[in-house]
Amino acid sequence: DTEVTQTPKHLVMGMTNKKSLKCEQHMGHRAMYWYKQKAKKPPELMFVYSYEKLSINESVPSRFSPECPNSSLLNLHLHALQPEDSALYLCASSQGRLINEKLFFGSGTQLSVL
Amino acid sequence: AQSVSQHNHHVILSEAASLELGCNYSYGGTVNLFWYVQYPGQHLQLLLKYFSGDPLVKGIKGFEAEFIKSKFSFNLRKPSVQWSDTAEYFCAVNYNNAGNMLTFGGGTRLMVKP
Repeated sequence: DTEVTQTPKHLVMGMTNKKSLKCEQHMGHRAMYWYKQKAKKPPELMFVYSYEKLSINESVPSRFSPECPNSSLLNLHLHALQPEDSALYLCASSQGRLINEKLFFGSGTQLSVL
Repeated sequence: AQSVSQHNHHVILSEAASLELGCNYSYGGTVNLFWYVQYPGQHLQLLLKYFSGDPLVKGIKGFEAEFIKSKFSFNLRKPSVQWSDTAEYFCAVNYNNAGNMLTFGGGTRLMVKP
């Protein structure tokens, strides 16, 4: 299994809702990442987890709350989002955090905030 | 700030035409360079990468890229495109071996007409 699985594929939520995005991999990877990709823009790094610990937070607002409950799962909890947060949220994983270790990307969750 | 530029936002070619997509990056010390492809509805996939050595790098599906240090460029090429190459192509840079973190270019949408 060389896939990174993200659920749901599509999500529509209101600004007062609380929702979660899920990411799962069974490749034994110990580094996992959240990227945000707005329409017609490149992916931008949000968070990096290494060995289930948050190692990088790229100044992301607190309405986005990541969680890594175990080495195979990465969640992104959403609360009180704004319409400008509508984007494709991509999860990725790699064996470790050395640069020569290949990144595997999921297909993303397309989020619309109304 | 470190940045990656892809000057061609949209490219339309006929099958069998040759392809060259430009990628320039800002100076920032040691760089590792990547090209990713995103087919419609699919996840990002690594096409090729350059860390060191021969500046002409060959990747999957007949793609190659050339690192020209003096021009801060890493252009992607393919001698003869196919309809199945229709996709979005992202150049990405890792600066200073910083833990598998990538800065992406804005992407180039390639459409190949049959």
